Amino acid sequence: DGGITQSPKYLFRKEGQNVTLSCEQNLNHDAMYWYRQDPGQGLRLIYYSQIVNDFQKGDIAEGYSVSREKKESFPLTVTSAQKNPTAFYLCASSISVGANYGYTFGSGTRLTVV
Amino acid sequence: SQKIEQNSEALNIQEGKTATLTCNYTNYSPAYLQWYRQDPGRGPVFLLLIRENEKEKRKERLKVTFDTTLKQSLFHITASQPADSATYLCAPEPKIIFGSGTRLSIRP
Repeated sequence: DGGITQSPKYLFRKEGQNVTLSCEQNLNHDAMYWYRQDPGQGLRLIYYSQIVNDFQKGDIAEGYSVSREKKESFPLTVTSAQKNPTAFYLCASSISVGANYGYTFGSGTRLTVV
Repeated sequence: SQKIEQNSEALNIQEGKTATLTCNYTNYSPAYLQWYRQDPGRGPVFLLLIRENEKEKRKERLKVTFDTTLKQSLFHITASQPADSATYLCAPEPKIIFGSGTRLSIRP
C-alpha cells in the first residue's frame, strides 16, 4: 500500500544536538511538507518542497533545515539553534502544491529535549 | 494577517445527533477548503475538499458547506457515533494553513 513513513516514532535530543527526522513516501507525489504541532494547537508549516532539489521556508523555519535530493525523501534536521524543539512533527505529501487534492500525512515523530 | 478560527471549545454531543463544526477564516480568499480528522498521537487523515464554486459536498454521513461571503465552512456529521470522536481540522487553501481543530466527543 502507498503511504508516508516517518521514523523514528519517538526521539530524544540532548541540548545542543542536531537530530534528523526521516520522511519517505511511495505515492509518487511531487510536493512534501513538514509541520510542527504543539499541544492543543494547530499545525504550523516549517518547510515545503514542490519538486526535487527545491524547497521553501514556511512560517517557522528558523532552527530547522531540509533537503530534497530524491522525490521519495524529505528529511528534516532540527538544529541546536531551535530553542524549543519539543513537539510532534508531521510530514505530509500531495500531488503538487496548490493541487486541490488532500494531503497524506505520516504518523508523526514526537521529539523531546532531555 | 490571515487567520483561521474553529470552535474554540470541545464539542460534546449525544450519539445519534448531528454534530456541526465551524471554520471561519479572515483576510484571504481560499480557492478551496479541506477538512481532516486527527486521532490522538496520529497524523491527520483527509476527509473532504470543497471548492469555492461548490456550496455543499457530501460523503456518507459527512456534509461540508462553504460560504465565501461569510468566509465560513460548516462540517456536519449526521447520526453521530462514539467512533466519530476525534479532533477535526479545517485547512483553507492555498496557503497551506490549518486551524487548531475542534475536539469532538460523542457520548453513548
